[in-house]
Amino acid sequence: DTEVTQTPKHLVMGMTNKKSLKCEQHMGHRAMYWYKQKAKKPPELMFVYSYEKLSINESVPSRFSPECPNSSLLNLHLHALQPEDSALYLCASSQGWTGGNEQFFGPGTRLTVL
Amino acid sequence: KQEVTQIPAALSVPEGENLVLNCSFTDSAIYNLQWFRQDPGKGLTSLLLIQSSQREQTSGRLNASLDKSSGRSTLYIAASQPGDSATYLCAVRPRQAGTALIFGKGTTLSVSS
Repeated sequence: DTEVTQTPKHLVMGMTNKKSLKCEQHMGHRAMYWYKQKAKKPPELMFVYSYEKLSINESVPSRFSPECPNSSLLNLHLHALQPEDSALYLCASSQGWTGGNEQFFGPGTRLTVL
Repeated sequence: KQEVTQIPAALSVPEGENLVLNCSFTDSAIYNLQWFRQDPGKGLTSLLLIQSSQREQTSGRLNASLDKSSGRSTLYIAASQPGDSATYLCAVRPRQAGTALIFGKGTTLSVSS
């Protein structure tokens, strides 16, 4: 099973709302990632978790709050977002964070902030 | 700083044609290079992974090559089909600590029947 699942598929939220994105993998991978992708642009790394600990935060605003409750699950908590945060949010996982491990991506959550 | 460039940005071909997508990168200190396919509004599907010690990888009608010393990779698609229409992204994993995948901007392929 080489599948990364993400829920919800679509999310529309107001600037005062609090919502969460969820990502799950059952491949035994110990590294998980959040990427943000704007239209017609390549994905940009937001966060990396390795063995459930935050390894990289690419200077992401605090209105995005990641959480890794266990090795299979990765959440992204959203609060007080701006319209410019509207994008496709992609989750990925790999066997490990260091070295040449293949990354597997989920289908993404399409987020619209009104 | 590692930069990844993909040429061309867009490509239209008739069905059945063989085609080559190009990817170049500025720093040869990489662990690997990965080719992805992305359909509109969807996630990324990993097509091929080439480790830095490898020269090429094949999967079905796809063949990817890597020339690390010159900073180039090509994705060859044989006998293209309309179902191959998508955006193809290449990404390198630098050896520099604290970095993740660096993506090119992609090549959008359209195969007409």
